[in-house]
Amino acid sequence: EAGVAQSPRYKIIEKRQSVAFWCNPISGHATLYWYQQILGQGPKLLIQFQNNGVVDDSQLPKDRFSAERLKGVDSTLKIQPAKLEDSAVYLCASSRDGVAGNTIYFGEGSWLTVV
Amino acid sequence: AQKVTQAQTEISVVEKEDVTLDCVYETRDTTYYLFWYKQPPSGELVFLIRRNSFDEQNEISGRYSWNFQKSTSSFNFTITASQVVDSAVYFCALFISSGSARQLTFGSGTQLTVLP
Repeated sequence: EAGVAQSPRYKIIEKRQSVAFWCNPISGHATLYWYQQILGQGPKLLIQFQNNGVVDDSQLPKDRFSAERLKGVDSTLKIQPAKLEDSAVYLCASSRDGVAGNTIYFGEGSWLTVV
Repeated sequence: AQKVTQAQTEISVVEKEDVTLDCVYETRDTTYYLFWYKQPPSGELVFLIRRNSFDEQNEISGRYSWNFQKSTSSFNFTITASQVVDSAVYFCALFISSGSARQLTFGSGTQLTVLP
């Protein structure tokens, strides 16, 4: 079974530029998450989708971050304009559904450096 | 609010030694799940184990074992006869089952280095 796919793996941009990350979850998984992991810290949830609807985006900096999951499968996370403090790994994850106890599987992450 | 504390920031051991990674959690919910993930240098978070709040039975899987104690709100992870390939950052995480937004709350991780 294929895992969670993410691209690009690495991205370097200048501050105030924009960047987009793509995620393809495990087939059949209804719930998709985007996490931000700053170096030396644990991952922090940015947004959670159930199919193509947003369940929780309370920690998403909406002035610069946006995410969508139009057809309930793939998702895109965009940052515009980027700030230096956005340098982090952006992890996409999925689970069969949002029910507690279902294992959440993570992709390898997209490493962003803002200079 | 829920919280996960991994007090050990970094641990170094010599190969074949046993090592225990500590995890303490806080939650007011009575139903919750605890997870351990391994993050090698490649960056992917690899799922290791899931335990629900009603099951305090300890678990052993090969060289890995987990000790869950609700009385002390701890979910510790032991690697027996450590190997160099065990070197990674290990995260403990808490999943709350109440409310509309169910999510994993991670600890800050423990960097384990196993020296040859």
